Parts: sequence; C-alpha cells; structure tokens
Amino acid sequence: DAKTTQPTSMDCAEGRAANLPCNHSTISGNEYVYWYRQIHSQGPQYIIHGLKNNETNEMASLIITEDRKSSTLILPHATLRDTAVYYCIVRGGGYNFNKFYFGSGTKLNVKP
Amino acid sequence: DGGITQSPKYLFRKEGQNVTLSCEQNLNHDAMYWYRQDPGQGLRLIYYSQIVNDFQKGDIAEGYSVSREKKESFPLTVTSAQKNPTAFYLCASSIMDNSNQPQHFGDGTRLSIL
Repeated sequence: DAKTTQPTSMDCAEGRAANLPCNHSTISGNEYVYWYRQIHSQGPQYIIHGLKNNETNEMASLIITEDRKSSTLILPHATLRDTAVYYCIVRGGGYNFNKFYFGSGTKLNVKP
Repeated sequence: DGGITQSPKYLFRKEGQNVTLSCEQNLNHDAMYWYRQDPGQGLRLIYYSQIVNDFQKGDIAEGYSVSREKKESFPLTVTSAQKNPTAFYLCASSIMDNSNQPQHFGDGTRLSIL
C-alpha cells in the first residue's frame, strides 16, 4: 500500500528555499515521518524526522500540518549539490514498528 | 568509522546461478533490511530482520533468501527463481527500540545479468 504521495519532480533556483511537499493522509497517531535523499547510485541519506512538532537541524526544516496529513521539507538555501531524489517515508506502527514505507520520491533539480 | 558495508559494488550473474550479496554493519543495530531499487523507481522491501536468527518477508520476497546468524551480518541470496534480478540492492540497519531513530543505508550493490 502506498503510504505517501509526492510530486514527481520540482525545480528550484540556487540560493532559494526548496519546499518539498508530501501527503500522508492515512498516517496514524504513532507513525513518524522521515525524509531521506538519494544521489544517483548511492544509498539514501537521512535528513530529518518528526511526529507532530516542527523540526529543524543543520540540513533542513520539517513542517508537519496540525492534522498530520501532510508535511513539507524545507531546504533553506538550495545549492547545486542538493540536486537529488527526496523520499518522504512513514514508519510503520504496532507490529510493523521497524518497517519503513518508501514513497515514490521527488526529483529536485537545483538550477544555477 | 561506524557504518554499513555492502559488497561487492557491482556484481554480474549468469542466468540460472544463485548469487549472495554481503551486508555488514558495526553500528550495533538490532534490525537490518534489504531493499530493491529499479531504475527511476523507489525502494521496495525484500526482507527484514529484527533479531538474530529471525527474519520476515517484505513486499517482494519471492526469489530471494536471507540469513541472520550474526547481529552484524545480513547476507541476501538472489536465487535462480528470481526471474528479473537486475537491480540496485540496498542494505540498511536501525536501532530496535522506541527511540524512532532512522535507518542507515549502505552504498548498494548493482546486480546485472550476463
């Protein structure tokens, strides 16, 4: 079952903020949202995760709506090195606590 | 450095052969995972293991087998029953508790059929 939906691709100008949306309308109360990115032919790199509060780290910010049905990953000042596929993931709950459900990902193209 | 090591980086298989992909982690993680990625697609879960000597099928387990004899190792065998094995294979690990810590990934093995 698809747990998240993301746009297939997005463009962003270098130096501007990149806002990547994710829909997870079927998320349950104890499921976390994680974001990863993948550069071609490498393993996914963890970016950030959260439950219901907004989160920020040195890489990005995560904004989760109050109803938790969607979230946005924000890269505040995109660089060319941020060009990658970004995955929004919902972690399984209950017995599936350690299962991560990967969405289709968004290809972010950062342009000079 | 702590991390996940997958080997080899590239692997070629003749039709009808079984091949084994290696995954080793020194993060002391309890849980380990295998994913398959096809070109332009997302990741699909093949198998996962939450503890030594135990593992569960993921969404696309047919044609694959795993073992978990040691905490740090989770090899994946692609059997001859897997009719379309050409793909990028990713191994991951995570802490098995309620801390919600993320999965950590290796750099993958690219398998091709000769």
